[in-house]
Amino acid sequence: NAGVTQTPKFRVLKTGQSMTLLCAQDMNHEYMYWYRQDPGMGLRLIHYSVGEGTTAKGEVPDGYNVSRLKKQNFLLGLESAAPSQTSVYFCASSYSRGQFGSYEQYFGPGTRLTVT
Amino acid sequence: AQRVTQPEKLLSVFKGAPVELKCNYSYSGSPELFWYVQYSRQRLQLLLRHISRESIKGFTADLNKGETSFHLKKPFAQEEDSAMYYCAPRVFSGTYKYIFGTGTRLKVLA
Repeated sequence: NAGVTQTPKFRVLKTGQSMTLLCAQDMNHEYMYWYRQDPGMGLRLIHYSVGEGTTAKGEVPDGYNVSRLKKQNFLLGLESAAPSQTSVYFCASSYSRGQFGSYEQYFGPGTRLTVT
Repeated sequence: AQRVTQPEKLLSVFKGAPVELKCNYSYSGSPELFWYVQYSRQRLQLLLRHISRESIKGFTADLNKGETSFHLKKPFAQEEDSAMYYCAPRVFSGTYKYIFGTGTRLKVLA
């Protein structure tokens, strides 16, 4: 099993450009998440999904959109990149515990994005 | 306000010394508490969860509901323990979510 994979690993964008980050998991997890990691800020939740076809906003959703058309994939889009979106982006997935939420999260290796 | 606090950004200890990474949280209800770890050039992974009352790699964490703390402890630090550690309560806010602290970098010196 590959676990959680992220594409690409690195990317440099110019302000105003758009891009999509792809997260894929082969563990049949229901829940998927996108976080950003910034120095001194820890991990902050951008968007998450509790199942195929559903998405919800996290702590810092502005400037990002997501889609979960297939259970195994969770896409994070930046429509018009800004320097403030320079960060390391992590995807994670987890099993569902039904009404009790999710089990532990499994993380991808991260995508380092620089916006100039 | 709901928050999780890891007061130390960097903690340096000598090999063989005890180590304690602090975590305080302020959430209503009874969140489930977790510690995640990120070793150099590795992905973030679960270290332990309070509900399991387990010891992983010599680390333990006791939930103190009165002090709302979940400090991570190890009696004798090893060089391979050097990593970034995140405290992460799992809270309910519309749905269950993890809230990650800002992290503590542990450096174990030879």
